Amino acid sequence: SQTIHQWPATLVQPVGSPLSLECTVEGTSNPNLYWYRQAAGRGLQLLFYSVGIGQISSEVPQNLSASRPQDRQFILSSKKLLLSDSGFYLCAWSGGPNAKNIQYFGAGTRLSVL
Amino acid sequence: GENVEQHPSTLSVQEGDSAVIKCTYSDSASNYFPWYKQELGKRPQLIIDIRSNVGEKKDQRIAVTLNKTAKHFSLHITETQPEDSAVYFCAASPLGGSNYKLTFGKGTLLTVNP
Repeated sequence: SQTIHQWPATLVQPVGSPLSLECTVEGTSNPNLYWYRQAAGRGLQLLFYSVGIGQISSEVPQNLSASRPQDRQFILSSKKLLLSDSGFYLCAWSGGPNAKNIQYFGAGTRLSVL
Repeated sequence: GENVEQHPSTLSVQEGDSAVIKCTYSDSASNYFPWYKQELGKRPQLIIDIRSNVGEKKDQRIAVTLNKTAKHFSLHITETQPEDSAVYFCAASPLGGSNYKLTFGKGTLLTVNP
């Protein structure tokens, strides 16, 4: 069966520091991968999605970037965090053999920028 | 692009009552409509979905209806229980394509009072 791992679970970072959040999927190949941000526990904002290695589409211009160095690995990064980057970050994947549209979410990373 | 509106933003019901959440979408090409439930601090999880060749789908106490002509779909929860308390998100997507991108509504906070 497929599983998605996301870490760390919580992170407290100072303003201006770099960020790296990682997401990996097991049990499937060539998944579509997504990064979402959720502020104040509501509203899923799609940040990036990827349909293959090295292929990144950005939905919202911002202080963040994404990379997909391997088929089942998706990384969210920032060179210098802003206060407004605080939030709950969720990774998701889709493309399962029986239900390609269904998105499965990771457990999320709660980021606090102070 | 697709735009999904969700109402109400908050809903409070007594245990045993029914709850209805409504969504409208703008893109007539959308034909896949999932509903996700997110408990406090947890990841969103798919609870039911419907495709445009079906007008209604039921799974125990949960049902979803779709009106493609009017471009709206609804989630119905009967005999609500306190454990139904959560944020519910609707979403829309075109089947096919390569990215399976979902457009989410802003969410409904459902509170079931014992």
